[in-house]
Amino acid sequence: QSALTQPASVSGSPGQSITISCTGTSSDVGGYNYVSWYQQHPGKAPKLMIYDVSNRPSGVSNRFSGSKSGNTASLTISGLQAEDEADYSCSSYSGSSTYVFGSGTKVTVL
Amino acid sequence: QVQLQESGPGLVKPSGTLSLTCAVSGGSITSGNYWSWVRQPPGKGLEWIGQIYLGGSTSYNPSFKSRVTISIDTSKNQFSLNLSSVTAADAAVYYCLRHGGRFFDCWGQGTLVTVSS
Repeated sequence: QSALTQPASVSGSPGQSITISCTGTSSDVGGYNYVSWYQQHPGKAPKLMIYDVSNRPSGVSNRFSGSKSGNTASLTISGLQAEDEADYSCSSYSGSSTYVFGSGTKVTVL
Repeated sequence: QVQLQESGPGLVKPSGTLSLTCAVSGGSITSGNYWSWVRQPPGKGLEWIGQIYLGGSTSYNPSFKSRVTISIDTSKNQFSLNLSSVTAADAAVYYCLRHGGRFFDCWGQGTLVTVSS
């Protein structure tokens, strides 16, 4: 079970939009619409930001959006704010009641 | 609102067994959700370890399958993780969490486990 591939880092200026990719295979990302995204600030537990590819939990800003094409899922943060600086990880169901996480992406607000 | 709290030794000897417990409060562990363990080595990404469902059915990350056991104690409203034959590579923050089968929506605060003699 290999980790999903994410860029190590992405940066942007306040107000800009950034996109984080999450690449897997047809056995995980491409095979199910069960991709989720998590935000993690230093020393804190991850927080669910997107589930089922593109759905936002109650309380999550609509500046966060998700999509998927083939074996690659994406998280877009629009109107980047200082508080968005954090680590972001994707996750996917990978069949047989198992799950896989991405390698994680550090987002820096310039 | 359901809250999860990990507990257990913060230091485990190499070749020993790592044992952690997750106490569930604010709700019943028999509520029909899945209960999982995830870990994060220092400076690295998250790694799903395994899960247990109410009936006791379990599924594990193949990377751990021969070393890991997850169990549930409904009388104490808690579930546990045992990871045997640990090495330095098992040093990590371990999180317990609840999920409905598609995404992980409720996490414990995490507990740091160090492996050292």
